Amino acid sequence: SQKIEQNSEALNIQEGKTATLTCNYTNYSPAYLQWYRQDPGRGPVFLLLIRENEKEKRKERLKVTFDTTLKQSLFHITASQPADSATYLCALEGSSNTGKLIFGQGTTLQVKP
Amino acid sequence: NAGVTQTPKFQVLKTGQSMTLQCAQDMNHEYMSWYRQDPGMGLRLIHYSVGAGITDQGEVPNGYNVSRSTTEDFPLRLLSAAPSQTSVYFCASSGTTSGIYEQYFGPGTRLTVT
Repeated sequence: SQKIEQNSEALNIQEGKTATLTCNYTNYSPAYLQWYRQDPGRGPVFLLLIRENEKEKRKERLKVTFDTTLKQSLFHITASQPADSATYLCALEGSSNTGKLIFGQGTTLQVKP
Repeated sequence: NAGVTQTPKFQVLKTGQSMTLQCAQDMNHEYMSWYRQDPGMGLRLIHYSVGAGITDQGEVPNGYNVSRSTTEDFPLRLLSAAPSQTSVYFCASSGTTSGIYEQYFGPGTRLTVT
């Protein structure tokens, strides 16, 4: 069956360091992968999308990689700040041209000053 | 633009009661979805719609009905509430601008079934 896995353990890092979050999937061949941020008590907010033919995507301090051979995406936040503390969700296209996404369970990041 | 709106924000139901969670979007998006979020489970897709008059089931559809009579609205109906439906419910919409299915989420409805 199709499965998306993110590290369920919280990631604690020091301010200024690079945070790296992992998203692994099985039995999928998604055309794209997305990353979202979710703060407590709020809905997720879109951050980045990377397509299957792209190896890397950047947006300000964020960087996403997508390895379709390893079936893995890495999400990096450089020069992390306490304001980056949140839960980060990866999502894969559930089926073509439907806008249907399947989400991982999310990884909570805590950046300490 | 208000984006995606959901009502109510909070609701307490007794087992067996029915209710409708409202969702509306003003971005003229074709696609709308309902998710539930439980601790440690992430977001699970309940139902989704690719346009007015078209709906389909997601991962966890049992106990829920949807309809899409207009582009703007996508209500979720709980037919006979059960404690297992205690959760936070999110509605989302997306369009195809630049071919990107970025989803916009509402603020959520926190439902407790006793």
